[in-house]
Amino acid sequence: AQSVTQLGSHVSVSEGALVLLRCNYSSSVPPYLFWYVQYPNQGLQLLLKYTTGATLVKGINGFEAEFKKSETSFHLTKPSAHMSDAAEYFCAVSVNTGTASKLTFGTGTRLQVTL
Amino acid sequence: EADIYQTPRYLVIGTGKKITLECSQTMGHDKMYWYQQDPGMELHLIHYSYGVNSTEKGDLSSESTVSRIRTEHFPLTLESARPSHTSQYLCASSDPALATEAFFGQGTRLTVV
Repeated sequence: AQSVTQLGSHVSVSEGALVLLRCNYSSSVPPYLFWYVQYPNQGLQLLLKYTTGATLVKGINGFEAEFKKSETSFHLTKPSAHMSDAAEYFCAVSVNTGTASKLTFGTGTRLQVTL
Repeated sequence: EADIYQTPRYLVIGTGKKITLECSQTMGHDKMYWYQQDPGMELHLIHYSYGVNSTEKGDLSSESTVSRIRTEHFPLTLESARPSHTSQYLCASSDPALATEAFFGQGTRLTVV
């Protein structure tokens, strides 16, 4: 079975500073990895995903993540935080198990951006 | 543009009432999911479906039930609501092809008083 661990339930950065949200996964087969963002009282919106190929993936709003198989990690970064980035971020993993493939989410990281 | 809709967005209802949370998608996706999320907490999968007439229990036990009579529709029902059911319920769908992400509705925030 797959699992996801997000280190740090709360991360606070200053506006303009680097954003780094950590995600490690566990999977017995090659995973597909996702980052979602959730704004208050909203559903989840896909930021970016890794399937195959290039290990550095770029997403919306200036975010990117790098798949590192040796470290079983998929950390999310953004060079310069903006106030509008304040939200809850979820890392998720999916694997193909025959007819089924389910998304398993991490516990989420709340990003706070301060002036 | 993802087209998955949940109604109502907000619901306050008394204990013992029967409720149905609606979820519809216009993308033709075979797979649909219901997640439960308490405020500031992680998402827990409570039900999923691979297609019409297919429903499965998720990782978190739930007193709710679901049905999948049509591809586009995946309603969730609580026969007798209780305060412990107060939560946010998120519906999602995905294409059965590998590696495609799930698209989420905006959620229904349920409060049982």
